[in-house]
Amino acid sequence: GAVVSQHPSWVICKSGTSVKIECRSLDFQATTMFWYRQFPKQSLMLMATSNEGSKATYEQGVEKDKFLINHASLTLSTLTVTSAHPEDSSFYICSAGDRERGYNEQFFGPGTRLTVL
Amino acid sequence: KQEVTQIPAALSVPEGENLVLNCSFTDSAIYNLQWFRQDPGKGLTSLLLIQSSQREQTSGRLNASLDKSSGRSTLYIAASQPGDSATYLCAVERSQLTFGKGTKLSVIP
Repeated sequence: GAVVSQHPSWVICKSGTSVKIECRSLDFQATTMFWYRQFPKQSLMLMATSNEGSKATYEQGVEKDKFLINHASLTLSTLTVTSAHPEDSSFYICSAGDRERGYNEQFFGPGTRLTVL
Repeated sequence: KQEVTQIPAALSVPEGENLVLNCSFTDSAIYNLQWFRQDPGKGLTSLLLIQSSQREQTSGRLNASLDKSSGRSTLYIAASQPGDSATYLCAVERSQLTFGKGTKLSVIP
């Protein structure tokens, strides 16, 4: 089946530092990757849609200069949280679309727990 | 703006019981609806995907129904087991996936 990995699975950092999260599709090519954020007891909220080789599309209210997304290859997208603050502490989940299966099936990574002190 | 509501927010049942989780959505113009399982601190596992033209899907002890016109879906779990304990998320898709907050299920041995 389609497998998506994320690294790291958890990270703790000091306020003001930047953190990079990787999302990889292990056994398929993902033309589109999605980044979600989930606060405790809340829904997953889409942050941005990342297309290989082009700029990401950000959802309303998500600061593109704070959450930098790079999708340089068909198997890797990265999310960098710049100058992280405690309010950025959350669970970040990526998903990837398999072009062969069609756009509307997404495969989710295991998530990254970010804690900003 | 699409809104997805899941009821109840939490549910505790004894092992062996059959149970139903509910999901409602405000905009019926969807491509599909999915049910996911999320274990604590983990990512999502897709359970069932129902295309907008379908009315139900079954996988093992799970059965999901979709009534698009009324904006409702149910997930039926038969003969529940402690291993079914998790949070179940409903999501509808049109231009993007919109998730509910989930139902936290606890199956008591």
